[in-house]
Amino acid sequence: QQPVQSPQAVILREGEDAVINCSSSKALYSVHWYRQKHGEAPVFLMILLKGGEQKGHDKISASFNEKKQQSSLYLTASQLSYSGTYFCGTAGTSYGKLTFGQGTILTVHP
Amino acid sequence: EAQVTQNPRYLITVTGKKLTVTCSQNMNHEYMSWYRQDPGLGLRQIYYSMNVEVTDKGDVPEGYKVSRKEKRNFPLILESPSPNQTSLYFCASSRDRGNGYTFGSGTRLTVV
Repeated sequence: QQPVQSPQAVILREGEDAVINCSSSKALYSVHWYRQKHGEAPVFLMILLKGGEQKGHDKISASFNEKKQQSSLYLTASQLSYSGTYFCGTAGTSYGKLTFGQGTILTVHP
Repeated sequence: EAQVTQNPRYLITVTGKKLTVTCSQNMNHEYMSWYRQDPGLGLRQIYYSMNVEVTDKGDVPEGYKVSRKEKRNFPLILESPSPNQTSLYFCASSRDRGNGYTFGSGTRLTVV
């Protein structure tokens, strides 16, 4: 079953923060986060594994609440380059079966 | 350069004419997968493979076939394409379950 992302769309000004949420009804082994710019392929951002720690690099980080089967992606001090569609992907015990949410469109204005 | 290569990038075909979209990765990855992307529906998994000769259905496998005879290649076969298979297709590969997927550039397929 497809994970549910919220919000569906976010509009920010440069320097503002955003949080994108991903919720699943199934027990999860891992949560992936990807960003896709218009006309391009999705690009991997990070993966969070069951029992692992919160991850992050630069001003993008994520958390994974295993009990609630939820993950959140945190973008701080947003830059124009952060614009795009963000997808979470969830996998259970069968890692190969990776199911994506419907995406969150993030737009950053100057 | 480490990459996932899909061919062709664009394809227009007629209903019922068998076609194959090739996918090759040069990273020695175990996992490979095919997705289709349609407006408003996000990325939906068609098939995936966890190793040579090991494949399994994703969420939307109807009308598609795959094979994994070699580790580097994972072709997607449409035996009898129909207009509802018009879509943007992505192949992706991953080293193991602790790593993310690298996506190919995509194949835009139109079936008329």
